[in-house]
Amino acid sequence: SAVISQKPSRDICQRGTSLTIQCQVDSQVTMMFWYRQQPGQSLTLIATANQGSEATYESGFVIDKFPISRPNLTFSTLTVSNMSPEDSSIYLCSVAAGGRGSPLHFGNGTRLTVT
Amino acid sequence: AQSVTQPDIHITVSEGASLELRCNYSYGATPYLFWYVQSPGQGLQLLLKYFSGDTLVQGIKGFEAEFKRSQSSFNLRKPSVHWSDAAEYFCAVGETGGNQGGKLIFGQGTELSVKP
Repeated sequence: SAVISQKPSRDICQRGTSLTIQCQVDSQVTMMFWYRQQPGQSLTLIATANQGSEATYESGFVIDKFPISRPNLTFSTLTVSNMSPEDSSIYLCSVAAGGRGSPLHFGNGTRLTVT
Repeated sequence: AQSVTQPDIHITVSEGASLELRCNYSYGATPYLFWYVQSPGQGLQLLLKYFSGDTLVQGIKGFEAEFKRSQSSFNLRKPSVHWSDAAEYFCAVGETGGNQGGKLIFGQGTELSVKP
């Protein structure tokens, strides 16, 4: 299974600032997925990032708020822009390391607190 | 649209007792189904998956799950719970289109507590 490293593991940020989260995978993958887990909640997909193309955002998430980069097949970043306390969540990077039906593998996540 | 429902938000079982966590899904075709576990402060770990074939699938840590198409269910079971099984459990359904692994839709999660 893929090994996924996320940085930072946690951060405390002030409202109005931005934070960029990095996700590094130990193998080349076509699709990377960014999820948000709000406190006490389930996981919600933010966007799907393919290398060489614009990320595809889910309903309720927009590029201006959550810009994503995917410069190569092993790396992606998610930026949380103009943060507010409502953005306090765990942000998780995930990849599907196989073909059809393969499960997602997750990084340990970035725990973000916005004050 | 795909959806996943985990009817039980919180379950408490005694150590050594059997466990069943419920999961119901809504999907137009035979889905890919997964169970993940999340321990406090940790990422998600895959317990098992159903792709096709045998409807009873075995996973890690002694867990198993049974796919029942007629009931649109994929319940997770363990015959004897250990204190270390206390965690949050998520059921998820995956897209079956395309040739690549796709995005997952997660249920609300079931928090499992284990009492001595």
